[in-house]
Amino acid sequence: EAGVTQSPTHLIKTRGQQATLRCSPISGHTSVYWYQQALGLGLQFLLWYDEGEERNRGNFPPRFSGRQFPNYSSELNVNALELEDSALYLCASSFGDSNYGYTFGSGTRLTVV
Amino acid sequence: DQQVKQNSPSLSVQEGRISILNCDYTNSMFDYFLWYKKYPAEGPTFLISISSIKDKNEDGRFTVFLNKSAKHLSLHIVPSQPGDSAVYFCAASGFGIYNQGGKLIFGQGTELSVKP
Repeated sequence: EAGVTQSPTHLIKTRGQQATLRCSPISGHTSVYWYQQALGLGLQFLLWYDEGEERNRGNFPPRFSGRQFPNYSSELNVNALELEDSALYLCASSFGDSNYGYTFGSGTRLTVV
Repeated sequence: DQQVKQNSPSLSVQEGRISILNCDYTNSMFDYFLWYKKYPAEGPTFLISISSIKDKNEDGRFTVFLNKSAKHLSLHIVPSQPGDSAVYFCAASGFGIYNQGGKLIFGQGTELSVKP
């Protein structure tokens, strides 16, 4: 069974540009979660999608957005990139109640220069 | 407001000895706790969890202890092995009316180094 896959693995963008990160959940999982891990910090919750709808978002500005497609894959978009957006972006998926934990992908390392 | 805290950024232990990783939380409504392990260039992987109705859960070399009155949990690894060297994150969640809206609340992580 394939795990959670994220692409690209690495992404380098210039300040002010837009970044698009992609995630494919485990087959059968309907929920997708996005987290940011900045240097020296823990995992900060960004977004939760379930059945194509945004269910919750963390304390991030509106330039962080995303969507979930009918096949449950998801996209995270970061507009007007700032240097402090440089981080590891992790996607996770679950089936049913997320409180029992998720399965994470390997992440996309975004570097803003 | 950091609801889940891991106050030790790093821990070094000799192979074969016990590793104890600590985690404190402030929200008494959390009722499920998890530990994840993360190697460089990989995503976190689930290690072990515990419900608030228990005070201990064991899985092989890994044991998690929960002290609800102190709002403290710890992960014990016995015996520690060099392959256990990784960053360990504790996380918390709530059910029902205490549901955190799909999110797990993570600590900052503790980097464990097990020396041969």
